[in-house]
Parts: sequence; C-alpha cells; structure tokens
Amino acid sequence: EVQLVESGGGLVQPGGTLRLSCAASGFSFSDYYMDWVRQAPGKGLEWVGRIRKKPNSDSTDYAASVKGRSTISRDDSKNSVYLQMNSLKSEDTAVYFCVRAPGEGSWLDPWGQGTLVTVSS
Amino acid sequence: DIQMAQSPFSLSASVGDRVTITCRASQNIRNALNWYQHKPGKAPKLLIYAASTLQSGVPSRFSGSGSGTDFTLTISSLRPEDVASYYCQQSYSIPTFGQGTKVEIK
Repeated sequence: EVQLVESGGGLVQPGGTLRLSCAASGFSFSDYYMDWVRQAPGKGLEWVGRIRKKPNSDSTDYAASVKGRSTISRDDSKNSVYLQMNSLKSEDTAVYFCVRAPGEGSWLDPWGQGTLVTVSS
Repeated sequence: DIQMAQSPFSLSASVGDRVTITCRASQNIRNALNWYQHKPGKAPKLLIYAASTLQSGVPSRFSGSGSGTDFTLTISSLRPEDVASYYCQQSYSIPTFGQGTKVEIK
C-alpha cells in the first residue's frame, strides 16, 4: 500500500522555523517527484513546492508566497522528503500535505493525511 | 502563474441530482487538468486526471470533460457520501488550484 506520513507540525512562533518530514512507503520513492501542498483554516488548497527526482539534481520549484524562505529536500535512502520554512508568518498557519507526483505536468496522488502548523505567539 | 477560476463556490443539491462544477484556466492548458475531492480531516483524493480519465477505484458517477481553458466535473447522481469540497488543479505548468466548491445535500 502506498503511504505518506507527515510529521513535525506544531506551534511555532512568528519569525520561527518549521521543519516537516514526510515518510513514504509502498512504492519506489526515488522514481517520483514529491510536492507539498497546504490548506489554511477555512481556505482552499495551495501548492507550496516540489522537488524533482534524479537525475534532475533534485531541482526544486516554489510558490511565490514561500519562495526565498523555503527549502524542500529529499533523502532517497530514507524514502523521505522534507520542507523547511523560515521567517514564519501567521498566514503560514495551515495543514501541510505531502503528495506524490509521477513527473512534470502530472497529477498529485496520493496525499498524506497532513500535519498542522500553527504560527502564533 | 496560470490562474484557475472555479465555480460555484458552493452548492446544495438533492440526493440523485446531477451536479456540475466548472473550472476555467487563464490560458490554454490543453488537457492538463485534474480534479480532487477533499473531506474535512481527510487526505484529498484524486478523482479525475488529464481532464477526463477516471482514477482507479473512483465511482463511475464522476466524470470530467473539457480541454483548452474550460473544464467540467460532473456527478451524475449525487450521493450522501459525495458531500465534500472539490478542487480543480492545472498541471500544465507550476501547479495551481481552483478556489474549491463545497457540495452539500439539500
């Protein structure tokens, strides 16, 4: 069974840093792109960013709202993908989902259950 | 970025009704359009990919159509378990989502 499990959510102070992890199982992790998508309370889905698979040198893309303060990385030996976001603002409060993508121009499937990040003092 | 305009924002329909949700892209995205169902507290679920291909395991009452800039998700006969929010997403370039449609039972 394909499974994605996020961890690392919680309460973070404004200006702080979050580091989320996503553990994958049930598929050949290194063969897929991995994305992060978030949903703020009462809002819709917002794509956060993507990390491609090798041999694209783990290239990444980010949404404008998080670019410059976010880093997505992956460790294929651990079947895991990570999201680090700095300079957190209240508007970063959201459930963060880890999602698998077959490749460029593809759909997102499956999704993890998500982990809640709350930015508040 | 490609903008996705989804409508309506919400709808209320009776069990057995035909329900249609539309999504319009700000530029031609060919058939690079996907639909997701999201229930509160659950992981979003892929329903339709490449505009009209039903994801494995998704009931056949769901269907998708369209190409270019205009797309439609149809539920042919609404069931209580279809209560959820539905999102379109373009995969022609950096992914973007529509605003979502909340579907309720009347």
